[in-house]
Amino acid sequence: EAGVAQSPRYKIIEKRQSVAFWCNPISGHATLYWYQQILGQGPKLLIQFQNNGVVDDSQLPKDRFSAERLKGVDSTLKIQPAKLEDSAVYLCASSLGQDETQYFGPGTRLLVL
Amino acid sequence: GQSLEQPSEVTAVEGAIVQINCTYQTSGFYGLSWYQQHDGGAPTFLSYNGLDGLEETGRFSSFLSRSDSYGYLLLQELQMKDSASYFCAALLISSGSARQLTFGSGTQLTVLP
Repeated sequence: EAGVAQSPRYKIIEKRQSVAFWCNPISGHATLYWYQQILGQGPKLLIQFQNNGVVDDSQLPKDRFSAERLKGVDSTLKIQPAKLEDSAVYLCASSLGQDETQYFGPGTRLLVL
Repeated sequence: GQSLEQPSEVTAVEGAIVQINCTYQTSGFYGLSWYQQHDGGAPTFLSYNGLDGLEETGRFSSFLSRSDSYGYLLLQELQMKDSASYFCAALLISSGSARQLTFGSGTQLTVLP
């Protein structure tokens, strides 16, 4: 069974630029999550989708971050414009349902200069 | 707010037993999960406690006491490959009825030869 795929794996941008991350969850997983993990901290949930609908985005900085889940499968997370403090690993995870085990992708390491 | 406390670092020798504690102050608590993350890698699921008591999976066991808002992960017969960060994560029910994970800051386990 293929795992959660993410791209790109690494991204370096300058502040005020925009960037987008892509996630392809495990086939059949209805729930998709985007997390931000700052060095030395645990993952912090940004947004949670159930199929193609948003379940929770209370911790998403909506003035600069946006996310969508296309047709209830792939998802993209965008930052526009980026700030220095956005430097982090962005992890995508998926699960069969909200109570089920979450499977994480390898993450995208973002460095904002 | 929601918070989970765990030690930042633990060191043990190969073959030993180590316990990583986690205390939590949360609302809408549903259960406690444990994830392992190697440097540069994705978090991977280890264990979940939805009920009080001990869950055993091979060399790893996890315990939960809801009355004490406390859990732990027990690693036996430590191996060098167990050197990693270990996160406790509370499965919470949000105000919108979404079930989601809130992670602790992680415990860096170093296994010495």
